[in-house]
Amino acid sequence: DADVTQTPRNRITKTGKRIMLECSQTKGHDRMYWYRQDPGLGLRLIYYSFDVKDINKGEISDGYSVSRQAQAKFSLSLESAIPNQTALYFCATSDLGGDQPQHFGDGTRLSIL
Amino acid sequence: RKEVEQDPGPFNVPEGATVAFNCTYSNSASQSFFWYRQDCRKEPKLLMSVYSSGNEDGRFTAQLNRASQYISLLIRDSKLSDSATYLCVVNPSGYGGSQGNLIFGKGTKLSVKP
Repeated sequence: DADVTQTPRNRITKTGKRIMLECSQTKGHDRMYWYRQDPGLGLRLIYYSFDVKDINKGEISDGYSVSRQAQAKFSLSLESAIPNQTALYFCATSDLGGDQPQHFGDGTRLSIL
Repeated sequence: RKEVEQDPGPFNVPEGATVAFNCTYSNSASQSFFWYRQDCRKEPKLLMSVYSSGNEDGRFTAQLNRASQYISLLIRDSKLSDSATYLCVVNPSGYGGSQGNLIFGKGTKLSVKP
């Protein structure tokens, strides 16, 4: 079983819909992250959380919100989806310490029509 | 200067070749460095951490040059399965706080041909 699990894996929806992407982890890490990846732009950080109830904006948080209600779960919401939010979304986790790498989930491919 | 910069490639090499990727970073205070591998439409996976003294893992060697602020990855005896995009990743501060979020390069694409 994957240590970092994202659901759904694929989603096609319409402009204006509310969407929630879920991430759960069994690694016991305190830190969790949401990224989006677009061709030619690389990975961009949306939000991150260093502990339960701790929420921090990343590089591109506008149009997104997150919730961290448990150490193992970090969800990303698009309140009113728009086509330019079409992208590949990744959740990641890391342990404490600045020298720790991040571990990624399988990704969610999201298409907004 | 971009925070983490890589040659996007693609690097097209024959099986068995040796290939090297370089990556430059802008923050001289950076303390932690990594190479990740990403297959098409898949998640990035940690390939190796990069230590000050340089480190090797089988056919892969990573080196750090702090004076010139660059990191390198050398792949010897390339295999078809090495075809992927290689991401250079830097922790700009090395600390555990918010300043310690990783910065990802856009990646260098490698294609190993038979």
